[in-house]
Amino acid sequence: NAGVTQTPKFQVLKTGQSMTLQCAQDMNHEYMSWYRQDPGMGLRLIHYSVGAGITDQGEVPNGYNVSRSTTEDFPLRLLSAAPSQTSVYFCASTKWGTGVTEAFFGQGTRLTVV
Amino acid sequence: GQQVMQIPQYQHVQEGEDFTTYCNSSTTLSNIQWYKQRPGGHPVFLIQLVKSGEVKKQKRLTFQFGEAKKNSSLHITATQTTDVGTYFCAGNTGNQFYFGTGTSLTVIP
Repeated sequence: NAGVTQTPKFQVLKTGQSMTLQCAQDMNHEYMSWYRQDPGMGLRLIHYSVGAGITDQGEVPNGYNVSRSTTEDFPLRLLSAAPSQTSVYFCASTKWGTGVTEAFFGQGTRLTVV
Repeated sequence: GQQVMQIPQYQHVQEGEDFTTYCNSSTTLSNIQWYKQRPGGHPVFLIQLVKSGEVKKQKRLTFQFGEAKKNSSLHITATQTTDVGTYFCAGNTGNQFYFGTGTSLTVIP
C-alpha cells in the first residue's frame, strides 16, 4: 500500500517556466489538497478537492492550477514560475467524513525558482 | 490570512524538561488534529480531538481541546531527543483544512 506518492522530490526551475507536481493516492480518499511550507508560515493551503471533478481555492491559490479527473490523482501546475514560489510543497490525501479525520502526506517536493 | 496560530514558533529545551505548544483558531473548529514533522520529513498524524474540553494522552504526550473549541495544547513531559521536530495543529472550517504555523522543538541532550 503506497499511500501518497508525490513526484518529483526536488526541482529547480527558471523564472517563467511551467511544471506539474504529481500526486497520487491509493486509499480511495475523496479529499485531497496541496500545501506549501515556508519558514515561520506553517502549511498554507493552495488548492483542495472534495472529489473527482471538483476543485476549489485555498489560502494562496494565485499562480497555481489543479485538476481532479480521477479520485487517485491530483496534480498541481505552476503556470509561470516565480522566485516567490520557491518552497516545499506537500500533497495530502485526507480520510474524512466518518470517524477520525486524518491527513496522509506525500514526501514533499523542494522547489527552487531562480 | 492565517486562521490558526501556534506559539511559540521555536522552543529549545534540555532533555528531560517539559514542553508545551499552544494552538489558537480564529473560528470554532469541528475537531482538531495534531501532527509531527521530523526534520526533512513530512507531517505525520498524531491524534484527533473532537469534544469540547477533551483531554487525551499518548505516553508522555497530553493533548487538550479548549471548552470553546477554538484552542488546543500539546504538552510533552520529560522530553527526549526523539521528540525533536515541528508540531502542527490542524482544523477544518467547512471544506478547508487549516494548519497552524507550527512549533519547532529542539531537544538539547
